[in-house]
Amino acid sequence: KAGVTQTPRYLIKTRGQQVTLSCSPISGHRSVSWYQQTPGQGLQFLFEYFSETQRNKGNFPGRFSGRQFSNSRSEMNVSTLELGDSALYLCASSLWGPADTEAFFGQGTRLTVV
Amino acid sequence: AQSVTQLGSHVSVSEGALVLLRCNYSSSVPPYLFWYVQYPNQGLQLLLKYTSAATLVKGINGFEAEFKKSETSFHLTKPSAHMSDAAEYFCAVTPSGQGAQKLVFGQGTRLTINP
Repeated sequence: KAGVTQTPRYLIKTRGQQVTLSCSPISGHRSVSWYQQTPGQGLQFLFEYFSETQRNKGNFPGRFSGRQFSNSRSEMNVSTLELGDSALYLCASSLWGPADTEAFFGQGTRLTVV
Repeated sequence: AQSVTQLGSHVSVSEGALVLLRCNYSSSVPPYLFWYVQYPNQGLQLLLKYTSAATLVKGINGFEAEFKKSETSFHLTKPSAHMSDAAEYFCAVTPSGQGAQKLVFGQGTRLTINP
């Protein structure tokens, strides 16, 4: 059974650019969550999608957005990148949601903004 | 809002010694509590989950955690540390009510095992 796949693994972008990160969940999983991990702020929740609908959203500015497709694959987009957006972005998939069913995490996309 | 606090950002133990990683949750009883482990350059892996079915929860790799309501704690223990246990450990909680489908993490505790 394939795990959660995040692409790309590493990314370097310039301030002001935008970036799109992709997450392919485990087959059959309908919930996809995104988290930002930084040394200073730790792991922070971005948003969660279930069957193409955003069910929860964290306290991030509107520059951070996401979507989920009918095959449950998800993308997150960050526009007008800032230096502080440099982080490891983790995606987690679960059958019904991370509270009720085990969340499986991908290896993450490490974004560096220069 | 539900939150967890992990006491000690770094813990160092000798191989074979007891591992104790501390986690306290906010005063209202949370629906679920979790411990996750993150190895270098990896995502997170679930170690165990408290769901109110039992106060002592056994997880993978010999870890267990005990839910203590009187102390608002959910500490993670392992009787005998192994070199392969070196990693970062995160305690997490889910909020109650609307918006429950998300994990709120503590700051993490980096565990070092000395040979």
